[in-house]
Amino acid sequence: AQSVTQLGSHVSVSEGALVLLRCNYSSSVPPYLFWYVQYPNQGLQLLLKYTSAATLVKGINGFEAEFKKSETSFHLTKPSAHMSDAAEYFCAVSRWAQGAQKLVFGQGTRLTINP
Amino acid sequence: NAGVTQTPKFRVLKTGQSMTLLCAQDMNHEYMYWYRQDPGMGLRLIHYSVGEGTTAKGEVPDGYNVSRLKKQNFLLGLESAAPSQTSVYFCASSYLRRGGDYGYTFGSGTRLTVV
Repeated sequence: AQSVTQLGSHVSVSEGALVLLRCNYSSSVPPYLFWYVQYPNQGLQLLLKYTSAATLVKGINGFEAEFKKSETSFHLTKPSAHMSDAAEYFCAVSRWAQGAQKLVFGQGTRLTINP
Repeated sequence: NAGVTQTPKFRVLKTGQSMTLLCAQDMNHEYMYWYRQDPGMGLRLIHYSVGEGTTAKGEVPDGYNVSRLKKQNFLLGLESAAPSQTSVYFCASSYLRRGGDYGYTFGSGTRLTVV
């Protein structure tokens, strides 16, 4: 069964510093992987998704993620943090079962940006 | 604006009361989902639907019922609310295109408190 583990429930970085949010997955088949962002009191917004094309995936707001099959990882990075990046981030893996694609989410990582 | 609309946005229920959460999408998506979000647990799938007139159980279905009488609407019902159902509920819809590409759109959530 597919599952996702996000390492670190809280990450704090300084404005302008590198952002690195870690995600490891388990999947018996080549996965589709997603990163979502949730701003306070809002729904989930797609940052980027991996669908077995390029292993380096670029998303919105300057984020990118690299799929590493050997490490079963899909870490999210951004070279320079901005105050507006403060939010909760979710990694998810999709699985096809019983006629539908379903997302399985990690527990989330809350990102805090220090001025 | 096209998307997924959830009503209500907030609700407080007393233990034992019933209510229905409504999800409406105007993107002609086949698949619809109900998730609940709890701190430190990410999002967990309650029920889903692969088309009009069909529903299926997800990861945490107990205490909930759903119906999809029209393609654009997916209703989540709580027959007898319990404090353990205090959560934020998200509806999502998704498409599946030829070649395997698919994507999800999430609603903005319903914050439910059961006292």
